[in-house]
Amino acid sequence: AQKITQTQPGMFVQEKEAVTLDCTYDTSDQSYGLFWYKQPSSGEMIFLIYQGSYDEQNATEGRYSLNFQKARKSANLVISASQLGDSAMYFCAMRGNPYSARQLTFGSGTQLTVLP
Amino acid sequence: ETGVTQTPRHLVMGMTNKKSLKCEQHLGHNAMYWYKQSAKKPLELMFVYSLEERVENNSVPSRFSPECPNSSHLFLHLHTLQPEDSALYLCASSQGYTAEETQYFGPGTRLLVL
Repeated sequence: AQKITQTQPGMFVQEKEAVTLDCTYDTSDQSYGLFWYKQPSSGEMIFLIYQGSYDEQNATEGRYSLNFQKARKSANLVISASQLGDSAMYFCAMRGNPYSARQLTFGSGTQLTVLP
Repeated sequence: ETGVTQTPRHLVMGMTNKKSLKCEQHLGHNAMYWYKQSAKKPLELMFVYSLEERVENNSVPSRFSPECPNSSHLFLHLHTLQPEDSALYLCASSQGYTAEETQYFGPGTRLLVL
């Protein structure tokens, strides 16, 4: 079974500062993928960034980067230069291989509020 | 239209009504999913379809009935729902099943059962 833990129900950050959202995971799969999604109040789940378990480099996508520490089973999302539009719910998720590959397991989410 | 679309965006129904949610993906993907997101709970996978065949059903009550007529369309037929079924229903699609495949989500349907 897979499990995602996000221990920060809510976070505040000042505009233009960086913020780290925590995510730890548990899986017995040898190969897996880690994802971060953003969900604004409108409800749509927006894909942000992906990290493969065998990727040696941390993933980056614009202002988003994923701090992947495999031995610690953590996949924290770092948002640099926060913007007001970054205020949303953020979900960490994972997908494994082979038999659990169909299911994306989500954490409980972190509500990020960017302050002007 | 691009990406994944869902209609309606909002739905209010009584417990005796029958309604359907529609999802359409314009990404050429082979797999489609229904998720339920209740307040203060993680997303729950309901159904998975691959190439129009249901491959997973996560112990969902029979009052929810999925239908996948082709690889681009996915429906969720609702009948005799309960108030606790009120939630955001999200549709997603992906190219395939491997761990690196990203699921792309639609905007969701907010359902309220009275």
